[in-house]
Amino acid sequence: DSGVTQTPKHLITATGQRVTLRCSPRSGDLSVYWYQQSLDQGLQFLIHYYNGEERAKGNILERFSAQQFPDLHSELNLSSLELGDSALYFCASSPMGGTSGRLSTDTQYFGPGTRLTVL
Amino acid sequence: KNEVEQSPQNLTAQEGEFITINCSYSVGISALHWLQQHPGGGIVSLFMLSSGKKKHGRLIATINIQEKHSSLHITASHPRDSAVYICAVSTGNQFYFGTGTSLTVIP
Repeated sequence: DSGVTQTPKHLITATGQRVTLRCSPRSGDLSVYWYQQSLDQGLQFLIHYYNGEERAKGNILERFSAQQFPDLHSELNLSSLELGDSALYFCASSPMGGTSGRLSTDTQYFGPGTRLTVL
Repeated sequence: KNEVEQSPQNLTAQEGEFITINCSYSVGISALHWLQQHPGGGIVSLFMLSSGKKKHGRLIATINIQEKHSSLHITASHPRDSAVYICAVSTGNQFYFGTGTSLTVIP
């Protein structure tokens, strides 16, 4: 058990809908990272938050957004869902955040993932 | 264009064999990560390297910054090592992932 929790474990929804995925980092970790893993694209980095601030953006679609709250949990919002958004979504946490504009090189601790199915 | 290439894609070994998985990258990096993903989907970070060599139990990871190459070695492989091993690199503001090496260790 990494200490990172993600809810829900599974989510089935329809095209055009909006969902929210939730991540609680390990106690004391200030950084949260979001990743998407699909069969055709593999693992992709979406976004990194450190202590409530966005630090780096990867291949995150405009239909997707994220935030990190004062209690350090994070939410990933996916809207106008398409079939191709079906994937495993992982969050990870790490103690530090790197410097502004640069990713931390800390070891990351991954949550169990949320499996999203868009029908 | 793939910033991170892994080989082999698939690997089957007999229990006890010495295993090597290779990772080459084409970008300047601040760190290289080796991840293990079990059949159930969970991901564990095995190593984070920026230079040299690290060892943890039967696992050894090396990196050659000049050659832009890293290797993950598993000594005395065991069926519980069966998993997908993923190489990832972090640059200033991006992470790039390899497609993974699927390892099966047969008793």
